Amino acid sequence: DGGITQSPKYLFRKEGQNVTLSCEQNLNHDAMYWYRQDPGQGLRLIYYSQIVNDFQKGDIAEGYSVSREKKESFPLTVTSAQKNPTAFYLCASSIGGPGDNEQFFGPGTRLTVL
Amino acid sequence: AQSVTQLDSQVPVFEEAPVELRCNYSSSVSVYLFWYVQYPNQGLQLLLKYLSGSTLVKGINGFEAEFNKSQTSFHLRKPSVHISDTAEYFCAVSDWSRAGNMLTFGGGTRLMVKP
Repeated sequence: DGGITQSPKYLFRKEGQNVTLSCEQNLNHDAMYWYRQDPGQGLRLIYYSQIVNDFQKGDIAEGYSVSREKKESFPLTVTSAQKNPTAFYLCASSIGGPGDNEQFFGPGTRLTVL
Repeated sequence: AQSVTQLDSQVPVFEEAPVELRCNYSSSVSVYLFWYVQYPNQGLQLLLKYLSGSTLVKGINGFEAEFNKSQTSFHLRKPSVHISDTAEYFCAVSDWSRAGNMLTFGGGTRLMVKP
């Protein structure tokens, strides 16, 4: 089955620690995205990548970093510089380029800072 | 840049009643429009999308939406809701002002179906 996987589903972090969230897709999509979702709020874009070895900051990139070394993988690192990292994190992908830009979402990772 | 407004943050409705979730967007230029559903602690799942053609779009789970270009709206409707429709619903619009294949999302509407 084609889709997007995120791991782990739940993640706990102590203050001051960096943590990396995994996102893998086997849809052969060029574009990938990371969103943050806080309770009762919509989605806010953290980073996106349109192609391998390239990525751009979204609306709330401070305290986060990403890499895109492989087409199918787009890991997100939440650094100690992120002041309020407790949230639900969603990864998505799309075909990329002009045309139908439907995004396909993973199941999410819930990060809690202890 | 595009903006998307979902006019109701919460919509309570009784089971088997009809429901409409409202969505308005800012730009009248050519757009693609999407509705997603999110169940608790899960990712977003596509309900339906409008790319071109008929303005009435049918989706999964009995939902439909109508694209109204003059009113820049894309309201989601279902004639008879079920308890299992309780979820968060997000409207999204293609945002050609941003580099890349971007979507702008509304703030979401929580549909609460009561027995």
